[in-house]
Amino acid sequence: NAGVTQTPKFQVLKTGQSMTLQCAQDMNHEYMSWYRQDPGMGLRLIHYSVGAGITDQGEVPNGYNVSRSTTEDFPLRLLSAAPSQTSVYFCASRPSGMDEQFFGPGTRLTVL
Amino acid sequence: TQLLEQSPQFLSIQEGENLTVYCNSSSVFSSLQWYRQEPGEGPVLLVTVVTGGEVKKLKRLTFQFGDARKDSSLHITAAQPGDTGLYLCAGGGNAGNMLTFGGGTRLMVKP
Repeated sequence: NAGVTQTPKFQVLKTGQSMTLQCAQDMNHEYMSWYRQDPGMGLRLIHYSVGAGITDQGEVPNGYNVSRSTTEDFPLRLLSAAPSQTSVYFCASRPSGMDEQFFGPGTRLTVL
Repeated sequence: TQLLEQSPQFLSIQEGENLTVYCNSSSVFSSLQWYRQEPGEGPVLLVTVVTGGEVKKLKRLTFQFGDARKDSSLHITAAQPGDTGLYLCAGGGNAGNMLTFGGGTRLMVKP
């Protein structure tokens, strides 16, 4: 199993550009989530999904969209990038009934 | 909003020393997890505690969940350079059963 995979590893955007961060998992986990990590602030939840076709907002959802058309994939879309979105983004998954989250390797995004 | 505060934020010690990291909240959590993160990688789960007063040991690491399930501590005995990393606590029991993360403790163990 590859676990949770994320692409790209690094990305630089200009203000106003849009892009999609990809996340996939091959463990058949029901729950998937997106976090951003900023220095001294731990991980903050952006959006999450409890199953295909179901998504909900987390703590910091503004400026981001998600969709969950399949169990495996959970892409994160930045609609119009802003410098405040410069961060490291982590995708995670877990099976229902378990607390442990499995994290991807992260995407480091810089918005100029 | 449930908040978790970790202390200290940074810790630099010599190999062989002991240390304790704290994770505190005013809210009750159904479970408390500790993760360790190395540079360029995602966090990896170390332990989950679910019962108030519970103590779990993982080699030189001892984890404790407070009696009221509002706080937790991580104690490392005889720290080694391989223990260097970012330690994150996370509380469960929120909406959607998602986790709330603390700000992290960055540990550096010097040889």
